[in-house]
Amino acid sequence: ETGVTQTPRHLVMGMTNKKSLKCEQHLGHNAMYWYKQSAKKPLELMFVYNFKEQTENNSVPSRFSPECPNSSHLFLHLHTLQPEDSALYLCASSQDRSADQKLFFGSGTQLSVL
Amino acid sequence: TQLLEQSPQFLSIQEGENLTVYCNSSSVFSSLQWYRQEPGEGPVLLVTVVTGGEVKKLKRLTFQFGDARKDSSLHITAAQPGDTGLYLCAGRNMLTFGGGTRLMVKP
Repeated sequence: ETGVTQTPRHLVMGMTNKKSLKCEQHLGHNAMYWYKQSAKKPLELMFVYNFKEQTENNSVPSRFSPECPNSSHLFLHLHTLQPEDSALYLCASSQDRSADQKLFFGSGTQLSVL
Repeated sequence: TQLLEQSPQFLSIQEGENLTVYCNSSSVFSSLQWYRQEPGEGPVLLVTVVTGGEVKKLKRLTFQFGDARKDSSLHITAAQPGDTGLYLCAGRNMLTFGGGTRLMVKP
């Protein structure tokens, strides 16, 4: 148990669906992250939030929309996804964005887009 | 272009063998981190190396940061099946990850 909980663990959706991924951390951290992990690419950073403000957007398509209502919760809203968006989506948190922080990851949501 | 190149991509060895995996870049990093990811789980931090030439040990795992801070290695002594997993290096304050080395240790 890392203190970072992601739901759901698995999600299958059609290209016209709208769904949301949820991440919650119980560590009192101030920075939260979304990463995408697919079979053929390295772990890719998508978004970073620090003290609820988005500080990184790694050229992510607009069909992925993040939301950080407070420092403990992070959402990733999905709409009109493509089959190539199928991947493991990992949420992580750290104390803040100062150097050499330790990342705590959730177990991920395995997403399949049909 | 991948900032962090890891090699080998895959490694399958017998229990008790020693191994070394590498994380290389043409860029200088202020620090590098190593993570291990087991199937169905997120990565877990093993170590952070900060100083060029630094060596850190974690039980049977030895991590080294290159003198020029462009590369790092992970050496495992007497590998055990519990060492099986995906080993990832990360830099730029967790913004960049390497492609990983997938290690399987057979009993």
